[in-house]
Amino acid sequence: AQKITQTQPGMFVQEKEAVTLDCTYDTSDPSYGLFWYKQPSSGEMIFLIYQGSYDQQNATEGRYSLNFQKARKSANLVISASQLGDSAMYFCAPLGDTGFQKLVFGTGTRLLVSP
Amino acid sequence: DARVTQTPRHKVTEMGQEVTMRCQPILGHNTVFWYRQTMMQGLELLAYFRNRAPLDDSGMPKDRFSAEMPDATLATLKIQPSEPRDSAVYFCASGFPAGGNTGELFFGEGSRLTVL
Repeated sequence: AQKITQTQPGMFVQEKEAVTLDCTYDTSDPSYGLFWYKQPSSGEMIFLIYQGSYDQQNATEGRYSLNFQKARKSANLVISASQLGDSAMYFCAPLGDTGFQKLVFGTGTRLLVSP
Repeated sequence: DARVTQTPRHKVTEMGQEVTMRCQPILGHNTVFWYRQTMMQGLELLAYFRNRAPLDDSGMPKDRFSAEMPDATLATLKIQPSEPRDSAVYFCASGFPAGGNTGELFFGEGSRLTVL
């Protein structure tokens, strides 16, 4: 079974600064990708970024980038130039390439961006 | 814009009543997930389907919950009888288009269930 750990229940950052949200996982899949989602207070789950198992370079999507370190089984989300609208819960989920691609989420990190 | 559609958005019901939640996945997506979110348990995977076939429903209380995909455009999650502890937000997500981008996985807006 997969175990996903987001060790930071809450993070604070000032507007315009960068912040890193941690995600570590324990999976028996030999290859896997990883998703990050954002959930603002309105409740919807918003896709942020995905990196596949065979992608050589860390994925980037605008202000979001992944620091994917497979040897350490960690995939941290870096948000650059934080904005007030980034205040939300953030969830990571590894996705194995083998088996049936069961997608299980971590417990989440609440990010608060202050002016 | 293609999107995952869930109904109802909100449901208040009394204990013992049957509740059915529906999800219309994005056309072409071959995998559908059902999740439940509560403050205490976070996001729990209840069940998921690949090409309409159930692959894993180990996260569901079997005695009262059932999940089906009667066709490619509809997934249902049924609770019978409902209990107050079932109060939660239920999300449906669809993704992994065949031959397409593995990174494509989108959520519906959720169905907020309150069982009195």
